[in-house]
Amino acid sequence: EVQLVESGGGLIQPGGSLRLSCEASGFNLSTYAMTWVRQAPGKGLEWVSDISGSGGGTNYADSVKGRFTISRDNFKNTLYLQMNSLRAEDTAVYYCAKETNNVSDYWGQGALVTVSS
Amino acid sequence: DIQLTQSPTFLSASVGDRVTITCRASQGIRSFLAWYQQKPGKAPNLLIYVASTLQSGVPSRFSGSGSGTEFTLTISSLQPEDFATYYCQQLHSYPRTFGQGTRLEIK
Repeated sequence: EVQLVESGGGLIQPGGSLRLSCEASGFNLSTYAMTWVRQAPGKGLEWVSDISGSGGGTNYADSVKGRFTISRDNFKNTLYLQMNSLRAEDTAVYYCAKETNNVSDYWGQGALVTVSS
Repeated sequence: DIQLTQSPTFLSASVGDRVTITCRASQGIRSFLAWYQQKPGKAPNLLIYVASTLQSGVPSRFSGSGSGTEFTLTISSLQPEDFATYYCQQLHSYPRTFGQGTRLEIK
């Protein structure tokens, strides 16, 4: 059974840094691209970033480019999102998702990140 | 960036109704469109990809159609568990944008 479990969320002050992790099980992580999608409270879905199976290719939304870094450790079956220079508008539930045929077919339960002083 | 506009934003319907949600893209995206269902407090769930292919395990009352710039998601006979928010997403180019969502509520 495919499972994705996010961790690392919490309350952080503006300008701070946080690293989210997404532990994968039930499939070979190295075979699949992975994605981060976020959802601000009461708002819609926003695509954040994705990474190829090997980790050699990454893409970012303009809103996070230069501040967030996606990475993966296929040996640890874990996807990461390093978030620096956090802003209030980054407050959201962050979901990791597995990609098949370019679509997100399995999602984690989400990790809440709150940026506030 | 490709903009996706869903209509309606809010839809009130009854169990057994047939409903259609439209997603319009600001430029052609061929068939690179997916539909997701999201219930409150839960992660999104993939329903349809490449515009019309039903994801495994999704009931056949859900269907998708369209190509280019106009797409539709149809639920042939609403069930109580279908009341949720629906999102389209384009997978044609980066950034992978979503529509703003359509909230489907019980009349």
